[in-house]
Amino acid sequence: DIQMTQSPSSLSASVGDRVTITCQASQDIGKYLNWYQQKPGKAPKFLIYDASNLETGVPSRFSGSGSGTDFTFTISSLQPEDFATYYCQQYGNLPFTFGPGTRVDVK
Amino acid sequence: QVQLQQSGPGLVKPSQTLSLTCAISGDSVSSDIAAWNWIRQSPSRGLEWLGRTYYRSKWYSDYAPSVKSRISINPDTSKNQFSLHLNSVTPDDTAVYSCARGVGVSFQVFHIWGQGTMVTVSS
Repeated sequence: DIQMTQSPSSLSASVGDRVTITCQASQDIGKYLNWYQQKPGKAPKFLIYDASNLETGVPSRFSGSGSGTDFTFTISSLQPEDFATYYCQQYGNLPFTFGPGTRVDVK
Repeated sequence: QVQLQQSGPGLVKPSQTLSLTCAISGDSVSSDIAAWNWIRQSPSRGLEWLGRTYYRSKWYSDYAPSVKSRISINPDTSKNQFSLHLNSVTPDDTAVYSCARGVGVSFQVFHIWGQGTMVTVSS
């Protein structure tokens, strides 16, 4: 299985802050990476595919970059509704695997 | 609009079989542009993809190696639903289980999810 790691595991931020999360794969996955947002008690919401492509309807303050083994997820200006946990997910190989998540909470 | 509605017990005894069903509305389990997945989430394991079934002229299934010897995911075209069966469960299988519709070239985008079922394995 391809192992996914994320850092940090949690961070505290204020509205308006720029937030950056990194995701690393245990082997080269090209650009085969998704990002999801999850709020407590809810299913994950799909945000970004192919490492950097925004799903339709997702605000442009969200962005992703990277390829190979190292990826970055950025929220350019954190909004109140963005406090949540964010997960990366690789689809370079089966089984699909997820990162452990990064919790973004209020500073 | 595609919706997924899960059903099944929330408590399973150790060594028994965990069975859940996911009813599909707004799409077909035989769709040629989607795959039907089961994913679980627990504090110890995080988000874990368990497997999927999909139809491309015939039925296919893929399973995670971690559960491959214990799992089956089966479509039911008469009821437009699919099911998860996980046998020989242990307390380590305690988790929130969710069905999800996968789309994309590798059916890798989980963009529609069921409501989740908390399953506890305990005697």
